[in-house]
Amino acid sequence: NAGVMQNPRHLVRRRGQEARLRCSPMKGHSHVYWYRQLPEEGLKFMVYLQKENIIDESGMPKERFSAEFPKEGPSILRIQQVVRGDSAAYFCASSLSGGRGETQYFGPGTRLLVL
Amino acid sequence: TQLLEQSPQFLSIQEGENLTVYCNSSSVFSSLQWYRQEPGEGPVLLVTVVTGGEVKKLKRLTFQFGDARKDSSLHITAAQPGDTGLYLCFRSNDYKLSFGAGTTVTVRA
Repeated sequence: NAGVMQNPRHLVRRRGQEARLRCSPMKGHSHVYWYRQLPEEGLKFMVYLQKENIIDESGMPKERFSAEFPKEGPSILRIQQVVRGDSAAYFCASSLSGGRGETQYFGPGTRLLVL
Repeated sequence: TQLLEQSPQFLSIQEGENLTVYCNSSSVFSSLQWYRQEPGEGPVLLVTVVTGGEVKKLKRLTFQFGDARKDSSLHITAAQPGDTGLYLCFRSNDYKLSFGAGTTVTVRA
């Protein structure tokens, strides 16, 4: 009964490189959410996806950030041309459906460090 | 705009003491969830409250949902060092997803 899987757990990138963060939802879950957590701050919603669809990306920066959840395979959060301010913990969560109050189960996170 | 307000932001107490964490909003929740996050890990769900006035207990943790469904509290009785962590309230309303900034609780042995 695997939970939400994220990899890598830690990622170090130099400024200008690309970062790819992967999330495999819990078995049977078709709804995925990405959050960012900066030091001393709470979790900030970034994007909500269903299989092959972006439902809500209102929390995603307009540039350099993109997310996808293909029919097959994990959800990917992609950050192009990373800057130091992108250093944060990125969490993925999944839910069985997208209804109100639906429980979101979180992965362990990917800690991105931009040098 | 912060949709959820949590207080206090930090709380440090001695083992055996009680503590209460609050979560408030200016608008009505359809439901609210409390999570705990330990360093280096993702948030783990503690409880979901749905009905106004609802009280749920989880061992030494008591969760209350306000009658008007605009506020909630988490009370820990006789806190232990294992209760140390970041406590987050979460509201999911019509795809508007929002976490409070969290309360960092430290229980000293």
